[in-house]
Amino acid sequence: NAGVTQTPKFRILKIGQSMTLQCAQDMNHNYMYWYRQDPGMGLKLIYYSVGAGITDKGEVPNGYNVSRSTTEDFPLRLELAAPSQTSVYFCASSLRSGTGGRSSSGRGTDTQYFGPGTRLTVL
Amino acid sequence: KQEVTQIPAALSVPEGENLVLNCSFTDSAIYNLQWFRQDPGKGLTSLLLIQSSQREQTSGRLNASLDKSSGRSTLYIAASQPGDSATYLCAVRNRDDKIIFGKGTRLHILP
Repeated sequence: NAGVTQTPKFRILKIGQSMTLQCAQDMNHNYMYWYRQDPGMGLKLIYYSVGAGITDKGEVPNGYNVSRSTTEDFPLRLELAAPSQTSVYFCASSLRSGTGGRSSSGRGTDTQYFGPGTRLTVL
Repeated sequence: KQEVTQIPAALSVPEGENLVLNCSFTDSAIYNLQWFRQDPGKGLTSLLLIQSSQREQTSGRLNASLDKSSGRSTLYIAASQPGDSATYLCAVRNRDDKIIFGKGTRLHILP
């Protein structure tokens, strides 16, 4: 398994440009997440998805959009890039149980697996 | 609003020592808590996940405990090695399904 893959690794944008960060996982995980990490800070959740066709906002969703048309892919769209969006972006996935497939603890394992990140600079 | 705090922000210890990293959270209504390791310029690697119904989890030299009522978790690293040098982050999953991370503890093991 490749796990969680992200492209591109690096990107420089000009203010006002748009781009899509790609994320894919081959572990058949139902949950997928987008985070951003600023220097010296922890990660902040931008958007997440509990399955194909379902997305929800995290802590810092403004300026971003997502879609989840398949289980495998979860792209993050920046429409009008701003310097405040300069950051490292991480995609992650996990397997969480809902009404079925319970582990001995009563839930799916929910261990998050992370991609290598995309370093984005907006000038 | 859930807040996750990790103290200290940075820690240096000699090789071979046992050490404890701390994580506290303000809202005890969580699904689970996860500890991660992050090496410079890299993504995160999951170390241990503790469900809300559990008290601790162990993997090799690592032991993570959870006291939900007091809003605390600790990560215990036994017999530290230079290869343990990294940033350690904890994250909680709230009952609303959101995930909140602490800012991390930068650990440096001195050879």
